[in-house]
Amino acid sequence: VLTQSPGILSLSPGERATLSCRASQSVANNNLIWYQQKPGQAPRLLIYATSRRATDIPDRFSGSGSGTDFTLTISRLEPEDFGVYYCQQYGASSLTFGPGTRVEVK
Amino acid sequence: QFQVVQSGGEVKKPGASVKVSCNVSGYMLGLSWVRQAPGQGLEWMGWITPFNGNTKYAQKFQGRVTISADTSTNTVYMELTSLRSDDTAVYYCARGASWLDPWGQGTLVTVSS
Repeated sequence: VLTQSPGILSLSPGERATLSCRASQSVANNNLIWYQQKPGQAPRLLIYATSRRATDIPDRFSGSGSGTDFTLTISRLEPEDFGVYYCQQYGASSLTFGPGTRVEVK
Repeated sequence: QFQVVQSGGEVKKPGASVKVSCNVSGYMLGLSWVRQAPGQGLEWMGWITPFNGNTKYAQKFQGRVTISADTSTNTVYMELTSLRSDDTAVYYCARGASWLDPWGQGTLVTVSS
C-alpha cells in the first residue's frame, strides 16, 4: 500500500513543492514512479526508478528516497505544474498507485 | 514515436460486457490497463506481454477482466464483464508493465440502466 502526503498542497508559482510517498513495505529495487495528471488529461510519466526523469521532463522535477520513503520535489513551481501527482510501485505480479497529492494554486 | 490510440466511449447497461481497444505503434514489451472512476485515483487492472500473450490481473478484477492482443494489427483489448454502476470510469491503456509511458487518451465507459 502506498500513502501520499499531503493530500492537498496549496502553493504559489515560484515556490518549492515537496510531495511524499510512503510504502507499507520496502519498495523492491527502488521501483518507485511518479506521474502528473491535469484535469481531463491522461497521466504523464515524470520520474521512474525513484530519481530518473522521463524524456522531456524539466530538471525542476526531481525524485529521491529509498526503502519505504520517497519524495518528489518541484524546485520552483511553474503555472503548468498545478495538478495531481501520483506515485506508483510495481512488483513481479502487480502494480499499485498511491491516492495522489493535489498541488493547487494558493 | 510510440503512440497509443484507444477506441471511443461506450454506454452499457448493468450486467453487460465492454471491450475497449488500444492500437499501438512501435514495439512494446508490455501494455497495462488502468482505470479512473470520476473524481477518483488510478487503479491498475492488469497487463499483457503481447509477444507471448502472458497476462497478469489485479486480484480485484480476476474472473471479470480479460486482456488480449492481436499482434497482426498491433491492437490490445480489455474486456470487462458483468458490469456494475461502479465500473463507470475512464479506462486507460499505457505502454509498459513497470513504469507506464505513454498513455492512451482514455475511454469513458458509462454503466447505466
